[in-house]
Amino acid sequence: DAMVIQNPRYQVTQFGKPVTLSCSQTLNHNVMYWYQQKSSQAPKLLFHYYDKDFNNEADTPDNFQSRRPNTSFCFLDIRSPGLGDAAMYLCATSRGRNQPQHFGDGTRLSIL
Amino acid sequence: SQELEQSPQSLIVQEGKNLTINCTSSKTLYGLYWYKQKYGEGLIFLMMLQKGGEEKSHEKITAKLDEKKQQSSLHITASQPSHAGIYLCGADIPPSNTGKLIFGQGTTLQVKP
Repeated sequence: DAMVIQNPRYQVTQFGKPVTLSCSQTLNHNVMYWYQQKSSQAPKLLFHYYDKDFNNEADTPDNFQSRRPNTSFCFLDIRSPGLGDAAMYLCATSRGRNQPQHFGDGTRLSIL
Repeated sequence: SQELEQSPQSLIVQEGKNLTINCTSSKTLYGLYWYKQKYGEGLIFLMMLQKGGEEKSHEKITAKLDEKKQQSSLHITASQPSHAGIYLCGADIPPSNTGKLIFGQGTTLQVKP
């Protein structure tokens, strides 16, 4: 049973066209994370929510935004995707800080 | 800033052989996590280590955190093709209560039947 679900698995968008990636969880975890992973690189944290408290990484581009309307759902919005934003985007959840993070299967984003 | 270095970067072993992957931190580790990733998929949580000298095992995989809490190793006994994938270590970023992780660059494991 999938516990962290990301949709879609593959997303193709045009340069500059806004795109939204979604993540849902059935674990009722307090914390949700978004990571960007480029080819052959380690995942890089973009931001995370502790409950409704939003925490942005200092080097996350302004082009990236997130929403968490409720405990179960979290969205990643890319306002004007550039070619450099093509990557795998991973959502993760954890019960709390210093607890294991559980990842979804990711959304692979391609930019035309 | 803290960095994690994994070695080796890649590994090819014959089925049935044992292997070890290392993860070395530039700073003291407060929490160390091991994950496995198959190409194009998400990360699967394997184990979490927090105390110096701690050792955990699951099936044929054993992870250890050294006493000084700056190095961890992942050991696979009698490797199988199902063990193939990318192994990543992740660490809590100090201060330890942020909930944020940094990751090593990963070790790619191939197991030849």
